[in-house]
Amino acid sequence: KQEVTQIPAALSVPEGENLVLNCSFTDSAIYNLQWFRQDPGKGLTSLLLIQSSQREQTSGRLNASLDKSSGRSTLYIAASQPGDSATYLCAVRLPRGGANNLFFGTGTRLTVIP
Amino acid sequence: DVKVTQSSRYLVKRTGEKVFLECVQDMDHENMFWYRQDPGLGLRLIYFSYDVKMKEKGDIPEGYSVSREKKERFSLILESASTNQTSMYLCASRTGNYGYTFGSGTRLTVV
Repeated sequence: KQEVTQIPAALSVPEGENLVLNCSFTDSAIYNLQWFRQDPGKGLTSLLLIQSSQREQTSGRLNASLDKSSGRSTLYIAASQPGDSATYLCAVRLPRGGANNLFFGTGTRLTVIP
Repeated sequence: DVKVTQSSRYLVKRTGEKVFLECVQDMDHENMFWYRQDPGLGLRLIYFSYDVKMKEKGDIPEGYSVSREKKERFSLILESASTNQTSMYLCASRTGNYGYTFGSGTRLTVV
């Protein structure tokens, strides 16, 4: 069964700092990987989607990389802002049909201090 | 942008009531999902639908049923609400190899 781990579980940084969030998974035969953010009491907002054939994706100050062979993805946030404070989740989709092919990480709660 | 709309942000229901949670997506996605999210347990899949009138059980279907009469709408039904169904409920949709799009969530409290 796919296990997805995110380290650290919580992170506090001063505003303006660049930071990296980590996601590791045990089964490298993935279909794609998606990064989400979740604000308290809200739903999940998709940030970036990386297909298995891709190495990275960028959107604004966010850059996500994927290394399937080592079972790792990173989310890089440049010049962090207080508005980036949220929980960040990675989710791995396996290449099989059916319902149970999406596996979520444990999440990293990010606090950006003004 | 794809939009997934959950009809209620907050609901308070009494034990034993029949509860309907509604979800609508506007981009003709064939796949729709219902998850619940609890502290320490993460997101758990309740039910999945891959087409109109088609459904598949997820990890925790007990106490729930679903309905998908139209492609854009996926309803989650709590037949007889219980306090252990107090949770955040999240609906999502997906098509092909694209990513998942989630709604804003419904916080259900059963008293």
